[in-house]
Amino acid sequence: GESVGLHLPTLSVQEGDNSIINCAYSNSASDYFIWYKQESGKGPQFIIDIRSNMDKRQGQRVTVLLNKTVKHLSLQIAATQPGDSAVYFCAEIKAGTALIFGKGTTLSVSS
Amino acid sequence: DTAVSQTPKYLVTQMGNDKSIKCEQNLGHDTMYWYKQDSKKFLKIMFSYNNKELIINETVPNRFSPKSPDKAHLNLHINSLELGDSAVYFCASSPGYTGNTIYFGEGSWLTVV
Repeated sequence: GESVGLHLPTLSVQEGDNSIINCAYSNSASDYFIWYKQESGKGPQFIIDIRSNMDKRQGQRVTVLLNKTVKHLSLQIAATQPGDSAVYFCAEIKAGTALIFGKGTTLSVSS
Repeated sequence: DTAVSQTPKYLVTQMGNDKSIKCEQNLGHDTMYWYKQDSKKFLKIMFSYNNKELIINETVPNRFSPKSPDKAHLNLHINSLELGDSAVYFCASSPGYTGNTIYFGEGSWLTVV
């Protein structure tokens, strides 16, 4: 079946490093992608989104890259901080359906 | 002000009981959802309502029944609770039902014993 998945279940980085979290999707019909951050005991929180007609989008300390050729999505976090420790999910939307989530990557930031 | 609020946050109940989780959003959104997150953190859509009308109903046991009295509320009622129903249930909302960012509540931790 078609699904959104992440390459690594866990990622450990040092404070101040840049983090890259990857996601592969299989449905070329998806036209909208979102990255969510979920802290322990809380609901998923919107970080950044990108439409399929774009390759890159930047936010505050975060950048999302979309490579439609290989169906790959990545989230880059600059100067990672301890407060960035959380589970990160990529999600895709196919027209007319609800958001479909990948399995999540747990980011651990050590001081 | 909490945009998407759900109650209760924690619920421990015995097998066979019937329980409800309530959800309200004050964002003026037309679409509301229930998602289930299992112990491995996997998030899966259960239901979606648009303007009180059911538009998505994934393969969920019919013991689960959503009810939307108005577009700002979407409650989840679960009959005859089973051990496997233990999970975190998230309510969410979005401006429309396709191509929009979805905003989540803080979750309801259901434990069936």
